[in-house]
Amino acid sequence: EVQLLESGGGLVQPGVSLRLSCAASGFTFSSYAMSWVRQAPGKGLEWVSSIGVSGGAAFYADSVKGRFSISRDNSKNTLYLQMNSLRAEDTAIYYCAKGAYNYFDSWGLGTLVTVSS
Amino acid sequence: EIVMTQSPVTLSVSPGERATLSCRASQSVSSNLVWYQQKPGQAPRLLIYGASTRATGLPARFSGSGSGTEFTLNISSLQSEDFAVYYCQQYNNWPRTFGQGTKLEIK
Repeated sequence: EVQLLESGGGLVQPGVSLRLSCAASGFTFSSYAMSWVRQAPGKGLEWVSSIGVSGGAAFYADSVKGRFSISRDNSKNTLYLQMNSLRAEDTAIYYCAKGAYNYFDSWGLGTLVTVSS
Repeated sequence: EIVMTQSPVTLSVSPGERATLSCRASQSVSSNLVWYQQKPGQAPRLLIYGASTRATGLPARFSGSGSGTEFTLNISSLQSEDFAVYYCQQYNNWPRTFGQGTKLEIK
């Protein structure tokens, strides 16, 4: 069974950095592209970033380009999202999702990031 | 960026009846369209991919259709567990984009 467990969320002030992690199990992590999708409180889903199997290819939403960086460690079956210069509008539940080049076929439970002074 | 527009925003249907949800893309996405279901406090769940292929284990009362710019998700004979928010998403182009969602509520 695919399991994706996000961690690293919390309450932070505007302008600071935060790194999210997603521990994957139940599938061959190194064979799948991975993604982050977020959902602001009471709002819809927004794709944030995706990364290829080797980490060489990465894609970002315009809203986070230049501030967020996606990476992965296939030896640890872990996906990361480094978030810098956080803004209030980055407040959301961040979901780790399996897949990128097509659909997201499995999702984690999410981790809440709140950016507020 | 491809804009995905779902209609209606809210759909009120009685249990046992049929629900029809629509999703329109601002330009063709071929059949690269997926539907997700999200219940309160839960992560989204994959329902339909390739516009019409049901995910593993999905009941046959769910069906998807369409191609190009117009897509439909049909749920026949609604069960209590089907009342949720439904999102469409295109994976034909970057950035991946979602519709704003349709809330399917009990009438």
